[in-house]
Amino acid sequence: QVQLVESGGGVVQPGMSLTLSCAASGFTFSSYALHWVRQAPGKGLEWVAVISYHGSDKYYADSLTGRFTVSRDNSKNMVYLHINSLRSGDTAVYYCARDYRIFGVSSPSAYWGQGILVTVSS
Amino acid sequence: IQMTQSPSSLSASVGDRVTITCRSSQIIGTFLNWFQQRPGKAPDLLIYDVSTLQSGVPSRFNGSGSGTEFTLTISSLQPEDFATYYCQQGYSTRVTFGPGTKVDIK
Repeated sequence: QVQLVESGGGVVQPGMSLTLSCAASGFTFSSYALHWVRQAPGKGLEWVAVISYHGSDKYYADSLTGRFTVSRDNSKNMVYLHINSLRSGDTAVYYCARDYRIFGVSSPSAYWGQGILVTVSS
Repeated sequence: IQMTQSPSSLSASVGDRVTITCRSSQIIGTFLNWFQQRPGKAPDLLIYDVSTLQSGVPSRFNGSGSGTEFTLTISSLQPEDFATYYCQQGYSTRVTFGPGTKVDIK
């Protein structure tokens, strides 16, 4: 079955950097785009970024461009989200989610990870 | 593309018919999805492409709409339906979610 497992979260000081990882299994990883979505405590869902199945196309939320970098390694079935210059406003649960269209960039599907908490605090 | 939802919250009883409205700031064709999220859990895809039920989703959930206005209807609210519902547009590669509608028990 499809599984997505995020890791790499925790408590980070403001100004530091962090890389989140998402390990995928149960599907042909190299055929699907992967999304990152975050949710601040008590708030709604905020889409962060998507990377195409081949890794050449990357799109970011307009409000987040510059500090976030999405990447993937199809040989390892892994997708990553690197965040620079962390701020308190980045405190959130970060989810990775598979796209629902094969060989396309569309929307998150029914397949999401359990989420990983990032807390930015001194 | 900006997404809005109304109401932001509602109280309802088991068996009630519930309707949530989602509006987009521009025409998004059929690229409109609905997610349900229960506290502490990842979102669940309910409906995609305006009206197609995700596998396993009960038929009491119905999606409709076109252009810039869309609705999610729950025909007879069940105890497990008390949750927050989000619409999401996929017309743009920069996906956006609505702010959510919290459905709680009256």
